[in-house]
Amino acid sequence: AQSVTQLGSHVSVSEGALVLLRCNYSSSVPPYLFWYVQYPNQGLQLLLKYTSAATLVKGINGFEAEFKKSETSFHLTKPSAHMSDAAEYFCAVSEQNTGFQKLVFGTGTRLLVSP
Amino acid sequence: DAGVIQSPRHEVTEMGQEVTLRCKPISGHDYLFWYRQTMMRGLELLIYFNNNVPIDDSGMPEDRFSAKMPNASFSTLKIQPSEPRDSAVYFCASASSGTYNEQFFGPGTRLTVL
Repeated sequence: AQSVTQLGSHVSVSEGALVLLRCNYSSSVPPYLFWYVQYPNQGLQLLLKYTSAATLVKGINGFEAEFKKSETSFHLTKPSAHMSDAAEYFCAVSEQNTGFQKLVFGTGTRLLVSP
Repeated sequence: DAGVIQSPRHEVTEMGQEVTLRCKPISGHDYLFWYRQTMMRGLELLIYFNNNVPIDDSGMPEDRFSAKMPNASFSTLKIQPSEPRDSAVYFCASASSGTYNEQFFGPGTRLTVL
């Protein structure tokens, strides 16, 4: 069975500081990995996804994530936080397998950005 | 592209009443998912469909919940009778085969049961 662990339910940074949101996964087969963002009172929006084409994945709004198989990690980073980045972020995993596979989501990390 | 459409966006009802949530997936998508999000339990998958057929309903909490997908462009999630503990945000998502399992989410329906 697959699982995702997001370390830290809340992360606080100052505007302009580095953002690092941690995600570790467990999967018995090669995974697809995703980061979604949820702004207040909105649905989840895809930030980026790993599909095995490249280990460093760039997404929208300046975010990127690096797939590290040896560490079973897919941490999300952004060099400089903006106030508009304040939101909840979800890591998700699915199997690279024949046929469609559902996503398994982490519990989310709320990013707080202070001026 | 209009994205996934959900209605209503907000629903307030009294305990014991029937509630119906609606979803229109993205045209051409053959998978549809219903999720529930609460502070206590996070994001839970309730049920999902492939080509209008329910594939996995193991997340449906109890018999009071039912979901249907009569055609490729419409799905409903019904709660009868509703209870205060059903208060949550309900999301619909859709996906297409061959797209690395990526799901596209609707804006959600915020349900409050008094």
